Amino acid sequence: GAGVSQTPSNKVTEKGKYVELRCDPISGHTALYWYRQSLGQGPEFLIYFQGTGAADDSGLPNDRFFAVRPEGSVSTLKIQRTERGDSAVYLCASSPDGGTGGNIQYFGAGTRLSVL
Amino acid sequence: GNSVTQMEGPVTLSEEAFLTINCTYTATGYPSLFWYVQYPGEGLQLLLKATKADDKGSNKGFEATYRKETTSFHLEKGSVQVSDSAVYFCALNNFNKFYFGSGTKLNVKP
Repeated sequence: GAGVSQTPSNKVTEKGKYVELRCDPISGHTALYWYRQSLGQGPEFLIYFQGTGAADDSGLPNDRFFAVRPEGSVSTLKIQRTERGDSAVYLCASSPDGGTGGNIQYFGAGTRLSVL
Repeated sequence: GNSVTQMEGPVTLSEEAFLTINCTYTATGYPSLFWYVQYPGEGLQLLLKATKADDKGSNKGFEATYRKETTSFHLEKGSVQVSDSAVYFCALNNFNKFYFGSGTKLNVKP
């Protein structure tokens, strides 16, 4: 597609459930980032992929959060045993080559996760 | 460590007023600096960037200069329009990791 696509746009779940959030980056972009944005805050880094591998996952808050990118394109962010504090907008961004400091990130519209 | 601090909003201006949104950063090494904008109901999009000290980024009448001596990257526009109403985020990229400020909401009244 023309831009970064995230699905679903909204997800409502109950505390303790498992959720998967999908990101479809711009075709050909090798770098992919996941962020979490709470209300009134800026995006908070979670994980960065270069190709299929997670180059930096230091932002994942705990072991309930996991992300994959098996074929170097689509990525899935997985959250186990969701908690109310996980409620936020989850943003995905892709970049042509994460190896260059001045590289531009292109953001998706985000998935708004609500944990009841 | 790496972090970005930007002025709290909301900032409310009349059309054609001068805009400054302050941004300062803390970083190891030589980060690249960015301003992103989020219009109502839309995703973040790049407004401008600067990759080294003394570089000036500019776009759509907005400007920001990478000041290493004051660790700042203030956003300016000489004459704002109602259509500039949005949330503005300052960000830095260091070693492929991006750090964002908390955002400044700008309201421009006709």
